[in-house]
Amino acid sequence: AQTVTQSQPEMSVQEAETVTLSCTYDTSENNYYLFWYKQPPSRQMILVIRQEAYKQQNATENRFSVNFQKAAKSFSLKISDSQLGDTAMYFCALGRTGTASKLTFGTGTRLQVTL
Amino acid sequence: NAGVTQTPKFRVLKTGQSMTLLCAQDMNHEYMYWYRQDPGMGLRLIHYSVGEGTTAKGEVPDGYNVSRLKKQNFLLGLESAAPSQTSVYFCASSYSLAGIQETQYFGPGTRLLVL
Repeated sequence: AQTVTQSQPEMSVQEAETVTLSCTYDTSENNYYLFWYKQPPSRQMILVIRQEAYKQQNATENRFSVNFQKAAKSFSLKISDSQLGDTAMYFCALGRTGTASKLTFGTGTRLQVTL
Repeated sequence: NAGVTQTPKFRVLKTGQSMTLLCAQDMNHEYMYWYRQDPGMGLRLIHYSVGEGTTAKGEVPDGYNVSRLKKQNFLLGLESAAPSQTSVYFCASSYSLAGIQETQYFGPGTRLLVL
């Protein structure tokens, strides 16, 4: 069975600062994918970034980057130059390769960006 | 493109009533999924489909049925609603490429309250 753990229920950061959200996971698979999704108050689930386990290079998307530590089964999200629009729930998710892309989600981290 | 749409957006049911949630996607995706989101828990997979006419159980399938009669539509049915099914329901869809974990795109969610 796959598990995803987000140990920080809530975090706060000031505008323009940098914040890191933690995620650890467990899987017996060797090939898998990791995702960070953002859920603003509108409830829409929005993909922030994805990482293929076979890639050593950490994924980046503009102000968002990950620190993927495969041996430690850790997948943290760093948000640089935080903006008020980054206020949202952030979910870490793990997906297996195969015929169906089923995802296992963590419980989420609520991020509040303040002035 | 509208992406993934869900109807209705919000519904109130009495215990024992039945209803169907509709998910539609216009991205020609093979795979479709139904998740539920409860407070303090991540999204959990209810059922999924790898193609027209095929469905499979996810993590929490009890009390739900699904059908995929057309490629673009995925229906989630509650035959006899229970208060434990009060939740926010999300539909998602993704491409199918052998061995590749494609990104799932989510609908806006349906909030269901069972009294």
